Amino acid sequence: QSVLTQPPSVSASPGQTVTISCSGTSSNIGNNYVSWYQQVPGTAPKLLIYHNNKRPSGIPDRISGSRSGTSATLGIAGLQIGDEADYYCGTWDDSLRATVFGGGTKLTVL
Amino acid sequence: EVQLVESGGGLVQPGGSLRLSCAASGFTFRTYNMNWVRQAPGKGLEWVSFISGGGGSIYYAESVKGRFTISRDNDRNSVYLQMNSLRDEDTALYYCTRVPDNEPGGDYWGQGTLVTVSS
Repeated sequence: QSVLTQPPSVSASPGQTVTISCSGTSSNIGNNYVSWYQQVPGTAPKLLIYHNNKRPSGIPDRISGSRSGTSATLGIAGLQIGDEADYYCGTWDDSLRATVFGGGTKLTVL
Repeated sequence: EVQLVESGGGLVQPGGSLRLSCAASGFTFRTYNMNWVRQAPGKGLEWVSFISGGGGSIYYAESVKGRFTISRDNDRNSVYLQMNSLRDEDTALYYCTRVPDNEPGGDYWGQGTLVTVSS
């Protein structure tokens, strides 16, 4: 059971917008930056969002992140077939003194 | 270009040991913290251990505390994970990641090295 809670799966059609939630507590999301990672099957995870809402170089602006209280959200607009992947949130937990990840959300683009 | 290349994985019996290595290049290694993160087959990401740039701060997941030891050699631009008393549940793909301040998961990930614990 993961410290951060994500929905197991989401789906949407090409061109649509999808959001993926990540729920935590005051000791993790509520007090630390949140990151989001994309993992295409068979490949290593890739950083999509850091510091709650910043995009690394090369990540398009149709990818967005936000944090409110003890929850965070990843948004992907203008969905493409290539967006099909597993998505993970992650942050530091002050109580556990550990990096914690969500259980992952499988995005299906129908 | 930042590169992280893990090695040292393999098949080991329960109770055995392995030492993983991660060779880094393309950045000033000693100025970055480093993580090991693992992923069991078909499962999600699990953070394993963290070491600060100078090696003075180290953290472990509860699941590996007392069995795994992280270390680094800043002259060799490498980070290591010594794994002892291995269990079936340690079977996973082990990634090393570069960890900037306040980015605890890692901004760059290697391709991973597979550890299989089985009799």
